[in-house]
Amino acid sequence: QQPVQSPQAVILREGEDAVINCSSSKALYSVHWYRQKHGEAPVFLMILLKGGEQKGHDKISASFNEKKQQSSLYLTASQLSYSGTYFCGTEILPGNMLTFGGGTRLMVKP
Amino acid sequence: DGGITQSPKYLFRKEGQNVTLSCEQNLNHDAMYWYRQDPGQGLRLIYYSQIVNDFQKGDIAEGYSVSREKKESFPLTVTSAQKNPTAFYLCASSNDRDSNQPQHFGDGTRLSIL
Repeated sequence: QQPVQSPQAVILREGEDAVINCSSSKALYSVHWYRQKHGEAPVFLMILLKGGEQKGHDKISASFNEKKQQSSLYLTASQLSYSGTYFCGTEILPGNMLTFGGGTRLMVKP
Repeated sequence: DGGITQSPKYLFRKEGQNVTLSCEQNLNHDAMYWYRQDPGQGLRLIYYSQIVNDFQKGDIAEGYSVSREKKESFPLTVTSAQKNPTAFYLCASSNDRDSNQPQHFGDGTRLSIL
């Protein structure tokens, strides 16, 4: 029931791009993306709703493929500040509880 | 500024002891949540509450208890029945009237066994 995130970890050089995937075995209503720095609270990035929309936030964007029950987070021209663990949270029905994936650890090096 | 306040930041529990973690929010959110995070792992839901005086068990409720007597407060008690309480505990809230709203998290409480 927990969504599966891939890869589990990725190391980038500043300026490189990355893609993080979140896959579910169940039909999804929405996918939420968060970033957590070590020892800190998760910070909200964006929500994608059923309908296959794509959203962008500065150089971070995401898509939701309803047919594949998968969401992808795209980090373009990565910055040092992008380092952290990225979590997806999936929602099966509106107003239902989020189930979080195991996280993807991203490290951006100079 | 609106936000979620968790206290204490660090907590130590003796064997057989109950401890209570505080969570207060001034965002006027209806829904509140408690998550447990183990090192290198994702967030697992312990309890959640969508309205005052009502709450439901999450995936790992055994050994924990909560109350929701006020809209702004959702304390979590880690009981002696929880044999492996060492973890990072996160409280969150959201405006449950619209499921398009994000969850806002507190800074967490790190609980360890003495």
